[in-house]
This record gives sequence, structure tokens and C-alpha cells, in this order.
Amino acid sequence: QSVLTQPPSVSAAPGQKVAISCSGSSSDIGNNPVSWYQQVPGTAPKLLIYDNTERPSGIPDRFSGSKSGTSATLGITGLQTGDEADYYCGTWDSSLSVVVFGGGTKMTVL
Amino acid sequence: QVQLQESGPGLVKPSETLSLTCTVSGDSISSSPYYWGWIRQPPGEGLEWIGYIYYRGNVYYNPSLRSRVTLSVDSSKNQFSLRLNSVTAADTAVYYCARPGRVGPGAEYFQHWGQGALVTVSS
Repeated sequence: QSVLTQPPSVSAAPGQKVAISCSGSSSDIGNNPVSWYQQVPGTAPKLLIYDNTERPSGIPDRFSGSKSGTSATLGITGLQTGDEADYYCGTWDSSLSVVVFGGGTKMTVL
Repeated sequence: QVQLQESGPGLVKPSETLSLTCTVSGDSISSSPYYWGWIRQPPGEGLEWIGYIYYRGNVYYNPSLRSRVTLSVDSSKNQFSLRLNSVTAADTAVYYCARPGRVGPGAEYFQHWGQGALVTVSS
């Protein structure tokens, strides 16, 4: 059972936008930055967002991150079929001194 | 460009020890300010952080695995390694080595990942 809570699945049509939530607590998201990863089945996770809102070079601005209190959200606009993947949030848990991840959200482009 | 590559047996018997090595290129473990980490993913499941190690030996482990895990560094080969003892079928997973994007302990995101190594625990 994951420390961070994500919806199991989300879906939207091509060109539309979607939001994926990640809920935690004061010991993790509430006091530490959040990151987001995209994982196409059979491949390694790819960093999409770090420090709540920052995108590594090469990540399109269709991907955005936000955080409020003990929750974070990944937003994806202009959905493409290539965006179909599993998405994970992650952060540090200060009380346990561990990196924690969400259970993952399967994103389907209808 | 930092690259990581896992290597090791793909099949381990129950109760035995799982051993994996990560070879790093594009960065020098012995002079890098980063920790070096391991993350695993059981088939069809989510990500689980195992731990990470600094070249001087400072180590952070996931408490859920601490009693069975040992991380080590071989700076001469620019490699770091994972040993997980007393394995069961529940340890079957893809094991990734990764480098955080932030220096120091508490680094919470991973910018560079290996391709992953599937390890199956079965007799």
C-alpha cells in the first residue's frame, strides 16, 4: 500500500486536458517538494516534474505541476496518444526518512 | 550524459541472496556529490524505493527492507551494488538503479535511471 494516494486511472480524448492528483500528509507532501514520472510499460520511469512545478529540459510545457498543502496535481494539456502511460508522484517522507511514491495512475487517451 | 546499467542474475532461488550491480558512465561516483539509489517495481505494481548510498558509505535504507538490504560502492569500477538476502517470491521485481537530481540525503527525485533488470525469485 503506497504512502501517497493517486487515482487508479484517468482518461480523456485527444487534444483535451487531464489532471492527476496525489494526496499525502504533513510528513511528506506537506513539507517536501513533489516530483512526477511518466512510465510507458516496459520502460524505466521518466522524470516529468520536480520541485512541484519545474520541468527538466526536453519536457514540453503541456506538462505542469502544482502543489497545495498536502496534495499535488499533474496537469497534461493537448493530450496525445503518446501520452498514454502510467504516472507516478513521489516525495520525501521526513518522519521516516524515505523516498515515497504514489501507487500510480494509468492514463488512457480515448 | 549520465548513464546507468544494471547487471546480475535474472533468477534467484527462495531464501538466497539477490545481487545486482549498477555501472555508471558519464559521472564519477567517487567525486560526485550525489547519492546513488535503487528502486524496484513488482510486476504490474508501483515503485518502491530501496535506498541510496553516497560514495563515502553514508546509506539510507527503506525501513521495510533495512534488515535484508546492503548497498555498497566500488569506486575503482565506478559501480554500486545491491544485495538483498532471504528473498521470497514477493521480491520478484524489476530493479532500477538511479541517480537523484539533487545532492545530499533527502534527495527525493530521480533524474537518471537505468533500463531496469527483472529478477525473478523461484525455485
